[in-house]
Amino acid sequence: DSGVTQTPKHLITATGQRVTLRCSPRSGDLSVYWYQQSLDQGLQFLIQYYNGEERAKGNILERFSAQQFPDLHSELNLSSLELGDSALYFCASSATPTGNTEAFFGQGTRLTVV
Amino acid sequence: AQRVTQPEKLLSVFKGAPVELKCNYSYSGSPELFWYVQYSRQRLQLLLRHISRESIKGFTADLNKGETSFHLKKPFAQEEDSAMYYCALSGGYNKLIFGAGTRLAVHP
Repeated sequence: DSGVTQTPKHLITATGQRVTLRCSPRSGDLSVYWYQQSLDQGLQFLIQYYNGEERAKGNILERFSAQQFPDLHSELNLSSLELGDSALYFCASSATPTGNTEAFFGQGTRLTVV
Repeated sequence: AQRVTQPEKLLSVFKGAPVELKCNYSYSGSPELFWYVQYSRQRLQLLLRHISRESIKGFTADLNKGETSFHLKKPFAQEEDSAMYYCALSGGYNKLIFGAGTRLAVHP
């Protein structure tokens, strides 16, 4: 167990809908990252937060947004869902935002858009 | 541009054979490189990082700055090594840039 908790584990929803994925980082970790893993794109970095502030942005669509709350948990909001958004969404956390710090991954949320 | 390339989608070997999973990177600066492993239906976990120069589960990886490579090697593959392996580059702010991954299949 890495200590990173993601809910829900599975999510099935229809096109056009909006969903929220939740991540609780390891105790004491201030940095949270979101990744999308799809069959054709591999692991894509979406966004990073550190202590409540956005630190880095990757290939995140405008339909997607995220935030990190004062208790350090993070949510990834996906709206106007399309079939191509079906993927495994991973959250990871680390103690610091920079340097050679190991990132610990959650088990992911599998999103299926039908 | 920061990029990680893993040229092989699948590497299939027999138990006891040597394994080399290739990873090449593109990065303007001093890279921090990692190998992550994902066993079936499990979360990604760190296998090793170049800065610690350690050997985990018999795997080693050497950073070759001249060839911009960080290949993962193991002299004798085991069936339990079958998994998805991702090479990753720390590209500032500790965000990890992953390669596409290589599936290692070790056959008895």
